[in-house]
Amino acid sequence: GNSVTQMEGPVTLSEEAFLTINCTYTATGYPSLFWYVQYPGEGLQLLLKATKADDKGSNKGFEATYRKETTSFHLEKGSVQVSDSAVYFCALSESRNQGGKLIFGQGTELSVKP
Amino acid sequence: GAGVSQTPSNKVTEKGKYVELRCDPISGHTALYWYRQSLGQGPEFLIYFQGTGAADDSGLPNDRFFAVRPEGSVSTLKIQRTERGDSAVYLCASSLEGNTEAFFGQGTRLTVV
Repeated sequence: GNSVTQMEGPVTLSEEAFLTINCTYTATGYPSLFWYVQYPGEGLQLLLKATKADDKGSNKGFEATYRKETTSFHLEKGSVQVSDSAVYFCALSESRNQGGKLIFGQGTELSVKP
Repeated sequence: GAGVSQTPSNKVTEKGKYVELRCDPISGHTALYWYRQSLGQGPEFLIYFQGTGAADDSGLPNDRFFAVRPEGSVSTLKIQRTERGDSAVYLCASSLEGNTEAFFGQGTRLTVV
């Protein structure tokens, strides 16, 4: 079945460091891909998304490119801030008609130190 | 409120008891989803409503779990004969017509003792 695999955390970085969180997926058809973020004490929020191959999603300095040839959707940010400390979830939607039915990775905790 | 609201935020119950968890979606959102998130894991899909009907309940783990959405708005997730393994955060999400961004509530943390 469809699945999402993320790099294990926790990831600890210093402020202004470069961030990559790897995400690969297994899916039939043409899934949409998402990154969600969960800040401490808050609910899941959509960070960015891409709905077809080679699309780049971006938001708040974060980027991810939908790579069908490598079945990947790695999250990157050039310079992280302490406020980026959170848990990040990669997810896929199996059908464009069920955008909210998502398969999530296990999450990667990011801790950014001053 | 503007967001998805879930009540209660925390629920502690004894093994074998019945519980109900409530979700108020964003007004006008026709699609509603329930997920379960165990500690250290990503959310797992349980059930999806389009309007009043369950369009996909393939994620419900067994027949102790049941969900309703009688008027196409508020939904209730019902768990009978709770077990310690049911302890998790239960998340609700809603979206417009099921094909756009899903907005999540903050979840109900269920603890079965």
